Amino acid sequence: EAGVAQSPRYKIIEKRQSVAFWCNPISGHATLYWYQQILGQGPKLLIQFQNNGVVDDSQLPKDRFSAERLKGVDSTLKIQPAKLEDSAVYLCASSPARGLAGVEQFFGPGTRLTVL
Amino acid sequence: SQELEQSPQSLIVQEGKNLTINCTSSKTLYGLYWYKQKYGEGLIFLMMLQKGGEEKSHEKITAKLDEKKQQSSLHITASQPSHAGIYLCGADTGANSKLTFGKGITLSVRP
Repeated sequence: EAGVAQSPRYKIIEKRQSVAFWCNPISGHATLYWYQQILGQGPKLLIQFQNNGVVDDSQLPKDRFSAERLKGVDSTLKIQPAKLEDSAVYLCASSPARGLAGVEQFFGPGTRLTVL
Repeated sequence: SQELEQSPQSLIVQEGKNLTINCTSSKTLYGLYWYKQKYGEGLIFLMMLQKGGEEKSHEKITAKLDEKKQQSSLHITASQPSHAGIYLCGADTGANSKLTFGKGITLSVRP
């Protein structure tokens, strides 16, 4: 079974530029998550999708971050414009179901973003 | 909001030694997940605990959730260099299966 795919793996940009990350979850997984992991910290949830609807985006900085999951499969996370403090690893995860305790989240390899 | 504290912050052990790391929650846990992360990579699922007093093992790794469901420990027996990495605990907050993570514990195993 193929895992969660993310691209690119690495990205370096100047501050105020825009950047987009792509995620392809495990086939059949209804729930998709985007996390931000700053060096030395645990992952922080940015947004959670159930199919193509948003379940939780309470920690997404909506003035500069946006995400979509068209057709309930692939997802894109965008930052516009980027700030220095956005330097982090952006992790995508998927799981088969929402709202059930004990459901494992499967993580992709992440995209490491450096903002100069 | 739920907070997770992991201890120690980092750990260096000699190959072959046993070790234990901990995760303490500020609130009762609905579910506690242990993940391992290699630098620059994604998270690999290790184990999930739900019931108070529950204990699970996989190969040389054993995880326990205490009776009050506010603390979990992860024990590695006869550590190997392959065990090195960052160990993260994640708590199921009970809302939409959203996970809150601790800061992680960096484990180094000296050959």
